[in-house]
Amino acid sequence: DAGITQSPRHKVTETGTPVTLRCHQTENHRYMYWYRQDPGHGLRLIHYSYGVKDTDKGEVSDGYSVSRSKTEDFLLTLESATSSQTSVYFCAISEAGTARRSPLHFGNGTRLTVT
Amino acid sequence: AQRVTQPEKLLSVFKGAPVELKCNYSYSGSPELFWYVQYSRQRLQLLLRHISRESIKGFTADLNKGETSFHLKKPFAQEEDSAMYYCALMSDYKLSFGAGTTVTVRA
Repeated sequence: DAGITQSPRHKVTETGTPVTLRCHQTENHRYMYWYRQDPGHGLRLIHYSYGVKDTDKGEVSDGYSVSRSKTEDFLLTLESATSSQTSVYFCAISEAGTARRSPLHFGNGTRLTVT
Repeated sequence: AQRVTQPEKLLSVFKGAPVELKCNYSYSGSPELFWYVQYSRQRLQLLLRHISRESIKGFTADLNKGETSFHLKKPFAQEEDSAMYYCALMSDYKLSFGAGTTVTVRA
């Protein structure tokens, strides 16, 4: 399995509080991603990064921000959590950039509940 | 914009029966398609990618550009195949997923 660690694994927080989820990789892959998983929607891309300090928005980026100050760490921040952000969050990595596009490898997920 | 459609939310089959999960896509370029599997509350795992044309755990999938489909098939389902299956399309190093199909294999 790809060396991806997400923390925390579970979190319960209150509406309006800031929350930061961490993704750590040991593979030195260039691309990192944050997805959320919701019933009926599959996985939807929140933000992704193609290098240190290089990030871009996905299809459901509103209410989320990210940072990548080191190759191995990709942080997802909910500035002011809302109940609609209750979800399971998955981090993924990809070596990408090669002639043969690489698949994504996923972490174990973080289950976030906003009350 | 690309789109991946999995028309079946739930699929229930008996052990030993064939199973087929449908996936259709819309994409203007040359598609790169994947199937991922997620066992109960675990991480998503890559099952197949169309360019490798290999069989994993007895599953196969063929890209049909004319029908814009990438259906997943297995001739004899096993109980351990019970899981959520996602079809995904890669574009610009990002994956777009279908809504997923939950497969239950009954004894």
